[in-house]
Amino acid sequence: DAMVIQNPRYQVTQFGKPVTLSCSQTLNHNVMYWYQQKSSQAPKLLFHYYDKDFNNEADTPDNFQSRRPNTSFCFLDIRSPGLGDAAMYLCATSSNRVNSYEQYFGPGTRLTVT
Amino acid sequence: AQSVTQPDIHITVSEGASLELRCNYSYGATPYLFWYVQSPGQGLQLLLKYFSGDTLVQGIKGFEAEFKRSQSSFNLRKPSVHWSDAAEYFCAVGPNSGGYQKVTFGTGTKLQVIP
Repeated sequence: DAMVIQNPRYQVTQFGKPVTLSCSQTLNHNVMYWYQQKSSQAPKLLFHYYDKDFNNEADTPDNFQSRRPNTSFCFLDIRSPGLGDAAMYLCATSSNRVNSYEQYFGPGTRLTVT
Repeated sequence: AQSVTQPDIHITVSEGASLELRCNYSYGATPYLFWYVQSPGQGLQLLLKYFSGDTLVQGIKGFEAEFKRSQSSFNLRKPSVHWSDAAEYFCAVGPNSGGYQKVTFGTGTKLQVIP
């Protein structure tokens, strides 16, 4: 089945220690998104890629970076995690077809910062 | 700017009872509307979407939603709730034009199902 895969599902890191979350997809979608979701809140878009074009949200902290080496993979790098960065991180993909851009989500990575 | 309001933070229903989750949107033109469900510790799963055409749309797991332009609403319904429907439900809106677009999510409604 075509899907969005996130690894790891659970990640524990220390305050200030860089961490990388990964996302891969078999849907062959052009667009990949990273969201941060805190408990009982809506997902908050951090950035997205349209093919190799990177689009950062204005309020995404500089501490968050992303890489997309190819169509299938996308990484979220948190350079110096703070306690406030503990959250669920969701990767999503969509096509760029006109009026058919519903997003497909991975299962998420739960990040704990100690 | 587009926005979504889900006025109910929590809803509790008995198993077998009917369900309606409310969603109101703000968008200047015809929107592209979605409902997603999120089980605890999981990602979001698309239940259904409305782009155009029949204003009553059917989705997975027995859910349906009705687009009412006059009320700027896209309420989600299910005639008989199962215990496995306990989850958080998010309504979302995006522009109804062009290729991919950013989607705005509501704050979610948490559904509890009691025996």
